[in-house]
Amino acid sequence: DGGITQSPKYLFRKEGQNVTLSCEQNLNHDAMYWYRQDPGQGLRLIYYSQIVNDFQKGDIAEGYSVSREKKESFPLTVTSAQKNPTAFYLCASSIRSPGQFGSNQPQHFGDGTRLSIL
Amino acid sequence: DAKTTQPNSMESNEEEPVHLPCNHSTISGTDYIHWYRQLPSQGPEYVIHGLTSNVNNRMASLAIAEDRKSSTLILHRATLRDAAVYYCLLSGTYKYIFGTGTRLKVLA
Repeated sequence: DGGITQSPKYLFRKEGQNVTLSCEQNLNHDAMYWYRQDPGQGLRLIYYSQIVNDFQKGDIAEGYSVSREKKESFPLTVTSAQKNPTAFYLCASSIRSPGQFGSNQPQHFGDGTRLSIL
Repeated sequence: DAKTTQPNSMESNEEEPVHLPCNHSTISGTDYIHWYRQLPSQGPEYVIHGLTSNVNNRMASLAIAEDRKSSTLILHRATLRDAAVYYCLLSGTYKYIFGTGTRLKVLA
């Protein structure tokens, strides 16, 4: 079955450490996204990529970094510069909307990674 | 900045229709209105989307106001499996803005 796989499901980080969250999709989608969700809140966009080797900052990119070397993979690194990294992180993918991002194409989400600070 | 506003929670009896409202008064002309729902510890699931006209699919209906400043997700017959947090969001050129969601409780 096609879908998005995020790993690990739970992740713990010590102060000052960088951690990388994995996101893999086999839906053959060009566009991929990373969101952060805090308790009782909606999703906020961290980074997005419309095509391999290209990505753009979202609304809350500070303290995060990404790469898009392969179509099926879009890993997110939470750096030590992110002062409040504890959250639920969600990865998504969609068919690319030519000329603009995410407009009329539904996004398919993974089941998330919950990151906590030790 | 574009913004979506939803009630924090709603209740419905099983097998009755549910109307979930969303206000998006700052919507732009090219913004699509999407709805997703999320179960605990899972990623959101796509429900429906539209631009100007009302839309129907197997899961739900979407009614969009004529001025597009509000929309309503309609579940025709709520079941216990429909209990979730429902998010309205605006999707347009280089923006994808989720609201804070409505928690739907379905009573047996």
